[in-house]
Amino acid sequence: SQTIHQWPATLVQPVGSPLSLECTVEGTSNPNLYWYRQAAGRGLQLLFYSVGIGQISSEVPQNLSASRPQDRQFILSSKKLLLSDSGFYLCAWNRAEIRAGELFFGEGSRLTVL
Amino acid sequence: AQSVAQPEDQVNVAEGNPLTVKCTYSVSGNPYLFWYVQYPNRGLQFLLKYITGDNLVKGSYGFEAEFNKSQTSFHLKKPSALVSDSALYFCAVRGLVTGGFKTIFGAGTRLFVKA
Repeated sequence: SQTIHQWPATLVQPVGSPLSLECTVEGTSNPNLYWYRQAAGRGLQLLFYSVGIGQISSEVPQNLSASRPQDRQFILSSKKLLLSDSGFYLCAWNRAEIRAGELFFGEGSRLTVL
Repeated sequence: AQSVAQPEDQVNVAEGNPLTVKCTYSVSGNPYLFWYVQYPNRGLQFLLKYITGDNLVKGSYGFEAEFNKSQTSFHLKKPSALVSDSALYFCAVRGLVTGGFKTIFGAGTRLFVKA
């Protein structure tokens, strides 16, 4: 069966510090990978998605970047965090070969920038 | 452009009563529609989806959803609510946009089931 792991679960960082959130998927190959941010426990905003190694699409201009160094690894990064980067970050995947494929989410990483 | 609207921020029902969480959508072409549930401090879990065929879709935990093409709606329903159904529910649409297929989520509806 497929699983998705996301870490760290909780992170408190000072303004201006770097960030690295990691996500890995097991039990499948060549998944589509996504990073979402959820603010104030409500709607989801798509930040980045990837259809393959080294292929990253950004949905909104921001202080964050994403990378996919391996097929099932997706990393969200920042060189200098802003207060506005605080939120709940969710990694997700779905099957590239299925158009109507549902998303499978990790447990999330809660980032607080102080 | 595709979009999803969940007109209710919150829905309150008594345990044992039927529940409905509303969703309307806008998408070019045939829609792929989804419902997800989120419990506090957790990731989203897939409940059900509509691709084609029967307008009534059955999913996990006794939930079902009715696709209505003329009203562009995909309301989530359950005949008898449980206290444990209390959570945040998201409707989503997946459609073809520039660059490929994208999934867009509604703002979410918080469901409170009272004992």
